[in-house]
Amino acid sequence: QKEVEQNSGPLSVPEGAIASLNCTYSDRGSQSFFWYRQYSGKSPELIMSIYSNGDKEDGRFTAQLNKASQYVSLLIRDSQPSDSATYLCAVKGGNTPLVFGKGTRLSVIA
Amino acid sequence: KAGVTQTPRYLIKTRGQQVTLSCSPISGHRSVSWYQQTPGQGLQFLFEYFSETQRNKGNFPGRFSGRQFSNSRSEMNVSTLELGDSALYLCASRPGDPAGGPRTEAFFGQGTRLTVV
Repeated sequence: QKEVEQNSGPLSVPEGAIASLNCTYSDRGSQSFFWYRQYSGKSPELIMSIYSNGDKEDGRFTAQLNKASQYVSLLIRDSQPSDSATYLCAVKGGNTPLVFGKGTRLSVIA
Repeated sequence: KAGVTQTPRYLIKTRGQQVTLSCSPISGHRSVSWYQQTPGQGLQFLFEYFSETQRNKGNFPGRFSGRQFSNSRSEMNVSTLELGDSALYLCASRPGDPAGGPRTEAFFGQGTRLTVV
């Protein structure tokens, strides 16, 4: 059973701080890693994808991947109240479906 | 470019009834996946289609079925509805063959919220 684990939170950070969200996965054959943001009552929105070990930056977001440790993280710099949402980590292998963690709820306090 | 379109957005059904949900993927996308999202279980994979063929299937009972048409539009059907089927049903589309390589991103529709009473 392929699993993706996330701390459910809530993770509370003050406005302007760095929010750090973490995810571990069980399948060593996983090749693609994604972060989705989901606002309450809405559908998931893709915000980052990462395929190779290391860091990938996009604006205020940085995704980090360590395949040896089976660990993915998402850093949000200069957090804003509008970043308050549930963040879903998703992992995919070759011909396997996209598997999601249950998400971490982030609350950015103004 | 239009996004993934799911219809209807909301449904209320009675136990024992059946329901059909529809998903139109992003233009040019040929892979469609369906997920069930509930507060306790998160996003759970139902099935995935590519070129009218089911490529992967999740661990759901046979009451849940799906299909894909030649224009890549997909439908899922749930028969003999149970109270526990109340959930947000999400469809996601990807450009290519799921077996051809995982480095493609999936984009979700707005979902269909199904309430079974």
